[in-house]
Amino acid sequence: QKEVEQDPGPLSVPEGAIVSLNCTYSNSAFQYFMWYRQYSRKGPELLMYTYSSGNKEDGRFTAQVDKSSKYISLFIRDSQPSDSATYLCAMKEWYRDDKIIFGKGTRLHILP
Amino acid sequence: NAGVTQTPKFQVLKTGQSMTLQCAQDMNHNSMYWYRQDPGMGLRLIYYSASEGTTDKGEVPNGYNVSRLNKREFSLRLESAAPSQTSVYFCASSEAGTSASSYEQYFGPGTRLTVT
Repeated sequence: QKEVEQDPGPLSVPEGAIVSLNCTYSNSAFQYFMWYRQYSRKGPELLMYTYSSGNKEDGRFTAQVDKSSKYISLFIRDSQPSDSATYLCAMKEWYRDDKIIFGKGTRLHILP
Repeated sequence: NAGVTQTPKFQVLKTGQSMTLQCAQDMNHNSMYWYRQDPGMGLRLIYYSASEGTTDKGEVPNGYNVSRLNKREFSLRLESAAPSQTSVYFCASSEAGTSASSYEQYFGPGTRLTVT
């Protein structure tokens, strides 16, 4: 079983819809959970992070972690064409800067 | 403030040729990383450097060498390129250790390498 699983998509949704992106993981020691956004032919950039369990909201984006189910989600409200990108989840253990595990990324298309 | 810069942006090599990918950061970060990104495989860590003078192997180090020249610069060398090394290479940096912000990595724009 891979440490982090993420559906690669592509996922196409109409503008204005709510988008749900998800990852599952197997390592119960993960404590930092991140979402990176990567535009075509660019490097990834950090979108949101969550420490341990719970929800975190930032504008139209909400990150959710359920450690009991080993499941994390990113919700995008009122999706815009500019949200079209690849979204990568990433996770790490406390103090383990040498081991940040990335999901394969989900390609998202927001249709105008 | 340029963040993380990488050179070159594109490169085509023949099998057996060598080359060095350069990376520099101006954020005074201790940790630097080299990743490769392949379709369907996601980002995979090649090498990691926690500080100047230290390097550690990541998930896919075979065929690569690295050098942490100073705090700013971290280079990746392919001694004898193979078609399996065709990929997009990203350099990243972050604060290290106990800092709460060490989870965040800052990525460069990438180098697109093709080995024929």
